[in-house]
Amino acid sequence: DTGVSQDPRHKITKRGQNVTFRCDPISEHNRLYWYRQTLGQGPEFLTYFQNEAQLEKSRLLSDRFSAERPKGSFSTLEIQRTEQGDSAMYLCASSPLMGYEQYFGPGTRLTVT
Amino acid sequence: AQTVTQSQPEMSVQEAETVTLSCTYDTSESDYYLFWYKQPPSRQMILVIRQEAYKQQNATENRFSVNFQKAAKSFSLKISDSQLGDAAMYFCAYRSPLSNTGNQFYFGTGTSLTVIP
Repeated sequence: DTGVSQDPRHKITKRGQNVTFRCDPISEHNRLYWYRQTLGQGPEFLTYFQNEAQLEKSRLLSDRFSAERPKGSFSTLEIQRTEQGDSAMYLCASSPLMGYEQYFGPGTRLTVT
Repeated sequence: AQTVTQSQPEMSVQEAETVTLSCTYDTSESDYYLFWYKQPPSRQMILVIRQEAYKQQNATENRFSVNFQKAAKSFSLKISDSQLGDAAMYFCAYRSPLSNTGNQFYFGTGTSLTVIP
């Protein structure tokens, strides 16, 4: 068990470009979560998958954001037409179906210039 | 929605001493779970300790213990015999009981802990 992994670890992009992040959860973890963390703040919930179904989305997840988990394993988070306000750390977490803790990945730091 | 408040943005402690980090939360639920996570400078969040609201006994994990006051909606973390490796950002988090929805964590804004050698 190698833990939750995220790729890339860092991404610098110009405003208006599209970016995609990947998260590989701990194997056999049914639940997968995306959070956004800005400087000086705690993580804020974006969206949640149970297997391949996206069961919940935060109001923070504007229509420029889309997330998928097509086969119930890895997940992708895409941001279209990035804005400077999108600069943040994007964290992925996973948990087993009946587990209470969430296991976090190292995050992808996005910088929009 | 649930809210979590950490009123101490920064704390410091001498190595080998004890420090307490504060957390309060607001909820109308009677059953829930509370967590303390540690986020070292490398930024990967690590679970420190967990408390189930239905348990009256305070959780303990080695040098880490909590003081859970359900009526006061308070959940503080005590670190005993502080070590240099304890230096990190500490987040208090709340979650509702397991269900198909509402499983996200609500985090506080964090407390940055410095350990002085």
